[in-house]
Amino acid sequence: QKEVEQNSGPLSVPEGAIASLNCTYSDRVSQSFFWYRQYSGKSPELIMSIYSNGDKEDGRFTAQLNKASQYVSLLIRDSQPSDSATYLCAVKRGGGADGLTFGKGTHLIIQP
Amino acid sequence: DAGVIQSPRHEVTEMGQEVTLRCKPISGHDYLFWYRQTMMRGLELLIYFNNNVPIDDSGMPEDRFSAKMPNASFSTLKIQPSEPRDSAVYFCASSPGPLSYEQYFGPGTRLTVT
Repeated sequence: QKEVEQNSGPLSVPEGAIASLNCTYSDRVSQSFFWYRQYSGKSPELIMSIYSNGDKEDGRFTAQLNKASQYVSLLIRDSQPSDSATYLCAVKRGGGADGLTFGKGTHLIIQP
Repeated sequence: DAGVIQSPRHEVTEMGQEVTLRCKPISGHDYLFWYRQTMMRGLELLIYFNNNVPIDDSGMPEDRFSAKMPNASFSTLKIQPSEPRDSAVYFCASSPGPLSYEQYFGPGTRLTVT
């Protein structure tokens, strides 16, 4: 059983639209959730973290968490071609520092 | 501020050779993580350190892999002997710890074992 699942895509979204990326996780004790963006040939770049149920907004990005459903999502508003990348969902168990468990990522393509 | 620094950025070696990857975490970060990324398996945690002490090495694939952190500003990941299946991108990440568990990744080392 995969611990963190994401649709691999590609997810194609027109420029200016809202891109919606989804992630489910299997470990109910997971406490912290992160979204990373990774351009081809580059390292993962942290764009959002979320720890409590509900929504968290940062600029054009909104992370949503529902621990009861074991579901976390990332919305990108006013999508730009520069948002085209692979988005990795990462989950951390427990309240302390720990390694992250990553999904395999969703490849997002923003069409001009 | 400088981010996480890794060297070398690319390494090509022959099967059976020893490989050493290096990492300098962000200054003041108490946690250091080593990850490996492949197309098949994605991004996987290998080992992590807290205040230079290894905490969890359950992700280290086998005894050919070893990691050390002799001081707060330097860590190594060594593979001896290397095998073609070790070919991957190896990332080092660091985290400040109790105030924030967000992890910041270095540029990675692309390892090719022929």
